[in-house]
Amino acid sequence: AQTVTQSQPEMSVQEAETVTLSCTYDTSENNYYLFWYKQPPSRQMILVIRQEAYKQQNATENRFSVNFQKAAKSFSLKISDSQLGDTAMYFCAFMKPNTGNQFYFGTGTSLTVIP
Amino acid sequence: NAGVTQTPKFRILKIGQSMTLQCTQDMNHNYMYWYRQDPGMGLKLIYYSVGAGITDKGEVPNGYNVSRSTTEDFPLRLELAAPSQTSVYFCASSSSSYNEQFFGPGTRLTVL
Repeated sequence: AQTVTQSQPEMSVQEAETVTLSCTYDTSENNYYLFWYKQPPSRQMILVIRQEAYKQQNATENRFSVNFQKAAKSFSLKISDSQLGDTAMYFCAFMKPNTGNQFYFGTGTSLTVIP
Repeated sequence: NAGVTQTPKFRILKIGQSMTLQCTQDMNHNYMYWYRQDPGMGLKLIYYSVGAGITDKGEVPNGYNVSRSTTEDFPLRLELAAPSQTSVYFCASSSSSYNEQFFGPGTRLTVL
């Protein structure tokens, strides 16, 4: 089974500042996908950003970007210009295609944006 | 477009009771999933299905059963509820050709 590790249970950041959430994973696969999901207090799981392992270019979505280091099996999420609405749990997830597209989630990082 | 819907939102069960958690998606996705989320933990896969009539076990299947008679519906059955099954349950779906999973709002289940 794949393992996904998020070593920061809790983090905080001042509004408008930048924060980076860490994620590492363990796999012997060469083709896979990585995701960051956000879970606000409403409990709804919301996709933040995704990265295909075969792409060298780091994915970006507005204020969200990733630093994907395939050799190091690292996939960190950078949030720029943090907003109060970014307060949430953030989950890193690994997916190996063609096995029912099963996801493996990390234990999450609770991010608080301080006004 | 409702996406993935789950019922009920909340439920309290007594030990030994049974219940079915309902999940429906209207996106014509062939892949569907059931996860549980325990406090302070990530989501763990219980069962998944790659199409109608096909189901398979995930990481934590014990104590649960599923069926997939239609593309839209993927109910999760708890036969003999135990306190260890107290959790938040999420249903999700995805297309085989697009890898994002879309999640329902979750069901908070308490077994006393």
